[in-house]
Amino acid sequence: AIQLTQSPSSLSASVGDRVTITCRASQGIRTALAWYQQMPGKAPKVLIYDASSLEGDMPSRFSGSGSGTEFTLTISSLQPEDFATYYCQQFNSYPITFGQGTRLEI
Amino acid sequence: QVQLVESGGGVVHPGRSLKLSCAASGFTFSSYPMHWVRQAPGKGLEWVAAISFDGSNKYYADSVKGRFTISRDNSKNQLYLQMNTLRVEDTAVYYCVRERSGWKLDSWGQGTPVTVSS
Repeated sequence: AIQLTQSPSSLSASVGDRVTITCRASQGIRTALAWYQQMPGKAPKVLIYDASSLEGDMPSRFSGSGSGTEFTLTISSLQPEDFATYYCQQFNSYPITFGQGTRLEI
Repeated sequence: QVQLVESGGGVVHPGRSLKLSCAASGFTFSSYPMHWVRQAPGKGLEWVAAISFDGSNKYYADSVKGRFTISRDNSKNQLYLQMNTLRVEDTAVYYCVRERSGWKLDSWGQGTPVTVSS
């Protein structure tokens, strides 16, 4: 199975900061990667798909990049509602796998 | 709008069985692959199983292969997960999820909790 390793596992930041989360795949996955945001007690929401495509109703301060084995999720200017846990997920091959998550805290 | 409503969760002893259901509405269910994803208490997301739009292809995580069966009834807009020989480590919230083209899981249910405990 393809392993996804996110870094950091947790991150403290402030409103207005620029934040980058990295996801590394154990083998090449082209651009078959999505990013999700999960608030406590809620179901995840897709933010980014196909590595860099912004999901329709998500704010433009979120962006994704990368291909192959290294990917990044960037939040250009943190807003209070962005403090959540973020997961990457690969769709290149089954079994589908998720990263372990990055908890973004104030 | 898209709605996915899971049901069937509960408390069960190790070794027993449980069947989860997911009622889909607001979209053409028979056109989309569907997934089950779970989340153990305080842990991350774990993909469980997937089924193609017509039910002809099924995929499973190694941790559930041989014990869980995913199925669907397109005439009823229903997705199922039959879980046999349950283990304590299967305790989690189980989400029913729609897959859209572009490699994304774009719609999630609210989840149904499953607790396996003696």
